[in-house]
Amino acid sequence: DIQMTQSPSSLSASVGDRVTITCRASQSISNYLNWYQQKPGKAPNLLIFAASNLQSGVPSRFSGSGSGTDFTLTVSSLQPEDFATYYCQQSYSTPPYTFGQGTKLEIK
Amino acid sequence: EVQLVESGGDLVKPGGSLRLSCAASGFTFKNAWMNWVRQAPGQGLEWVGRIKSNTDGGTIDYGAPVRGRFTISRDDSKNTLSLQMNSLKTEDTAIYYCTTMKTSGKGYYFDNWGQGTPVTVSS
Repeated sequence: DIQMTQSPSSLSASVGDRVTITCRASQSISNYLNWYQQKPGKAPNLLIFAASNLQSGVPSRFSGSGSGTDFTLTVSSLQPEDFATYYCQQSYSTPPYTFGQGTKLEIK
Repeated sequence: EVQLVESGGDLVKPGGSLRLSCAASGFTFKNAWMNWVRQAPGQGLEWVGRIKSNTDGGTIDYGAPVRGRFTISRDDSKNTLSLQMNSLKTEDTAIYYCTTMKTSGKGYYFDNWGQGTPVTVSS
């Protein structure tokens, strides 16, 4: 199975900061990489699909990049509602569709 | 508006069984690929399994931890997805989410999620 590793596991930042979260795959997954945001007590919400495509309704301050094994999620200017946990997920080839362990973004 | 409403979560003893349901509305269910994803308390997300639409063959795949114990099914006449869970273990304790799955041509992603239903396996 393809393993997904996110870094950092947690991150403290301030409103207005630019932050980047990294996701690394254990083998090349082309750009078959998605990003989700999850707030406490809520279901995850799709942010980015196919590495760099913004899901409808998601603010443009979110962006994704990368291909192969290394991917990034960037928030250009943090807003109070962005403090949450973020997960990457790969869907290369056949299942299982594996997630990273998550990155918790906290207010500094 | 897409709505996915899970139900059936409960407290069950190890070795027991439970059946979860997901009622879907707001989209053409019979054409949708559907998934179950779970989240153990304080932990990350884990894919449980996927069922394709019957027009795409109805293929079902499972994650290794549940294969042979869990069964996914769908009733397109009732717009309902089900998860039959047998031989439950304490490590199956989690919130179980029903999701739709889409493709962009570059992989598959979970675009709509239900609110989840909690399953606790404990003696």
